[in-house]
Amino acid sequence: SYELTQPPSVSVSPGQTARITCSGDSLPKQYAYWYQQKPGQAPVLVIYKDTGRPSGIPERFSGSSSGTTVTLSISGVQAEDEADYHCQSGDSSGTYVIFGGGTKLTVL
Amino acid sequence: QLQLQESGPGLVKPSETLSLTCTVSGGSIRSDSYYWGWIRQPPGKGLEWIGSVYYDGNTYYNPSLKSRLTTSVDTSKNQFSLKLRSVTAADTAVYYCARHPDTPMAGGDYWGQGILVTVSS
Repeated sequence: SYELTQPPSVSVSPGQTARITCSGDSLPKQYAYWYQQKPGQAPVLVIYKDTGRPSGIPERFSGSSSGTTVTLSISGVQAEDEADYHCQSGDSSGTYVIFGGGTKLTVL
Repeated sequence: QLQLQESGPGLVKPSETLSLTCTVSGGSIRSDSYYWGWIRQPPGKGLEWIGSVYYDGNTYYNPSLKSRLTTSVDTSKNQFSLKLRSVTAADTAVYYCARHPDTPMAGGDYWGQGILVTVSS
């Protein structure tokens, strides 16, 4: 079955740039989406269609894509950015949705 | 402001059917621009896509759940629903409903707060 692979955890100091990757064979064919999820809350969409940023999401959140890997970057990380981040995409035929396993971002 | 709210039993017995409803307010479910989806998250684990439904009743299901799953939409009540049959403890999770623009593969731009469903006797 198709999978999206994320690192379980990423740590960064305040003010630095955090980069979270998501890898999968269908990513060159399907858009990726990124969510931020804080404890006890529903996920919030922070990046859509690889690089788009929804209204209300700070400019420090950005997305990029290269081959079979997409990356969520958070520049000037703040304590409030500590959360779980999930990537989402589709299988190569666009038949079903897949989520990555999630990455816990720790702000040191 | 669009809002989604999940409702249903918080406790379901093994082998029975889990039934949830998502009520949409602040916007119409009868729109050709959106799909309406279900996603779940077992305690301490990642997100899992369950399936999506369009206002005309077209459905899109996770292949691993398809044999036990039915989703439907009631445009008169501005609601969509999920039924998952023959549940086991592995179906214990927080269940979310969400709106997906343009395609069922798109990211959810509005989500409900989630409802914890526990499968236990």
